[in-house]
Amino acid sequence: GQNIDQPTEMTATEGAIVQINCTYQTSGFNGLFWYQQHAGEAPTFLSYNVLDGLEEKGRFSSFLSRSKGYSYLLLKELQMKDSASYLCAAGYKAAGNKLTFGGGTRVLVKP
Amino acid sequence: DGGITQSPKYLFRKEGQNVTLSCEQNLNHDAMYWYRQDPGQGLRLIYYSQIVNDFQKGDIAEGYSVSREKKESFPLTVTSAQKNPTAFYLCASSMRGDLSNQPQHFGDGTRLSIL
Repeated sequence: GQNIDQPTEMTATEGAIVQINCTYQTSGFNGLFWYQQHAGEAPTFLSYNVLDGLEEKGRFSSFLSRSKGYSYLLLKELQMKDSASYLCAAGYKAAGNKLTFGGGTRVLVKP
Repeated sequence: DGGITQSPKYLFRKEGQNVTLSCEQNLNHDAMYWYRQDPGQGLRLIYYSQIVNDFQKGDIAEGYSVSREKKESFPLTVTSAQKNPTAFYLCASSMRGDLSNQPQHFGDGTRLSIL
């Protein structure tokens, strides 16, 4: 299988930083996506990592280590609107553009 | 504006009925996907189509059927054989289906419930 593992839930305070970890199977791995999903809404694309290292986009950054099968999404200067689920999804070469999604991490931002 | 349109937003089904969920995209994307999401869970792939007139089963295809007669449209039928159809159904598309570096863009979803 191609299991994607991420924590179920995290809580953080407004203005703080939260790091959401994701692990995946490395065999045939091509790249990793992060999506944000507010309750009852469609997921929206946040980032894509294919090379090792950190990609920064404003308050959100995503990191990938291909050799370790590990990624994280870093949310800085948390705002109340960042309360959402964050989905990690891996693409595998043999699967075309079929993605394997993790179960999602629900982030609750408290005042 | 370009995007993916799913209809209806809410759908109710009686026991033993087939229902069809609509998904239309005007992004000129080759590939389209159907996912099912249960409360508090991630996305599970039902069917996908990398190009018009072709589609493949995903991880949970039993009790579902699709067609891809037009590039813009990828309707999903939930048949009476699907024993637990209550879920949030999401349609997505990507520019190409043969490369694993294309982000998928999602519609707003259809919430299906059993009466």
